[in-house]
Amino acid sequence: EAGVTQFPSHSVIEKGQTVTLRCDPISGHDNLYWYRRVMGKEIKFLLHFVKESKQDESGMPNNRFLAERTGGTYSTLKVQPAELEDSGVYFCASSRVREPYEQYFGPGTRLTVT
Amino acid sequence: RKEVEQDPGPFNVPEGATVAFNCTYSNSASQSFFWYRQDCRKEPKLLMSVYSSGNEDGRFTAQLNRASQYISLLIRDSKLSDSATYLCVVNRGNNDMRFGAGTRLTVKP
Repeated sequence: EAGVTQFPSHSVIEKGQTVTLRCDPISGHDNLYWYRRVMGKEIKFLLHFVKESKQDESGMPNNRFLAERTGGTYSTLKVQPAELEDSGVYFCASSRVREPYEQYFGPGTRLTVT
Repeated sequence: RKEVEQDPGPFNVPEGATVAFNCTYSNSASQSFFWYRQDCRKEPKLLMSVYSSGNEDGRFTAQLNRASQYISLLIRDSKLSDSATYLCVVNRGNNDMRFGAGTRLTVKP
């Protein structure tokens, strides 16, 4: 079974630019999550999709972040315009909607805003 | 106060040692619990789920104390390959997961 994949693995952009991150969950996993880890801090929840619907987006830091999951398959997370404090590693995870609820993580996208 | 608290370590132990990590959580309605391990610059990987009755997987034993809102992970006979950061993860319900900051373990020859 293929795991969660994310693209790109690294992105370096300048402040004010736009970046779009992509996540492909494990096939059959309707739950999809975005998380972020900034340097020296714990992993923090951003939002949760069930299929194409946003179940919970309480962790999104501000309206510069937009997540979509059209068709309930892959998801994108766009940051526009990027700020310095957006730097960090963005992880995507997926899980089934029934037990077991274990989440499986992608390798992450390391975003650096200069 | 953070919702999930872990001793950040680092724990530096010799090969063969037994080491225990603790984790406390503040949301009493939390429903399920997990330990993940994260290697340097890698994604978190599920190590084990934690059940009320306690569970064991080889050298790893996880315990849950709901009354004290406390989770533990015991590693016996540590190997060099156990060196990683161990993350305590709590499901608050509706698959809303909260992560601890992690405990760093280094196993030395």
